[in-house]
Amino acid sequence: LAKTTQPISMDSYEGQEVNITCSHNNIATNDYITWYQQFPSQGPRFIIQGYKTKVTNEVASLFIPADRKSSTLSLPRVSLSDTAVYYCLPETGKLIFGQGTTLQVKP
Amino acid sequence: DGGITQSPKYLFRKEGQNVTLSCEQNLNHDAMYWYRQDPGQGLRLIYYSQIVNDFQKGDIAEGYSVSREKKESFPLTVTSAQKNPTAFYLCASSPPRVAGLAKNIQYFGAGTRLSVL
Repeated sequence: LAKTTQPISMDSYEGQEVNITCSHNNIATNDYITWYQQFPSQGPRFIIQGYKTKVTNEVASLFIPADRKSSTLSLPRVSLSDTAVYYCLPETGKLIFGQGTTLQVKP
Repeated sequence: DGGITQSPKYLFRKEGQNVTLSCEQNLNHDAMYWYRQDPGQGLRLIYYSQIVNDFQKGDIAEGYSVSREKKESFPLTVTSAQKNPTAFYLCASSPPRVAGLAKNIQYFGAGTRLSVL
């Protein structure tokens, strides 16, 4: 199973761009990389998924280098409501949610 | 209104009691999952089911049991053997894999918070 490493926590201010990088050194050839967001006392929700290069949707962008050993979630111009835990998951037969990255957005 | 419904939202267990958490989905998903989340921690997989009448243990199955008699339902029983059941329990489901489409995205319910009296 691909093991992931993310920063435990990050701080930012409203209006800034936030980049959260996840390393997944032994990702499998066919694995996609999925990011989820979780607010307190709620279930995680899907944000974005990609396989390589760059993917963008209305919420975020996902950058994946050619070796696919890491991925970076980019949140443009964060607001207070983006304060949450963000999980990076390479696709495996059994999803493993680690501790994630707790993003704190300050006014 | 499609989605995953977990009930109850809050549940209290007495010493030695078994309690059952409900999870229902109307998304027509084949796979369903149960996770446990302790404060400040990530999610840990308890059980999962890829198809009706079949399920597998996750990382922390001891003290829990499940059934999958219907596609839309995957109840979790917290037995008296689970000595530390206080946690936030999350149920999820995912659609079957289809070539060329997004892979293995899980959709979560709102959770059940279980406490011990």
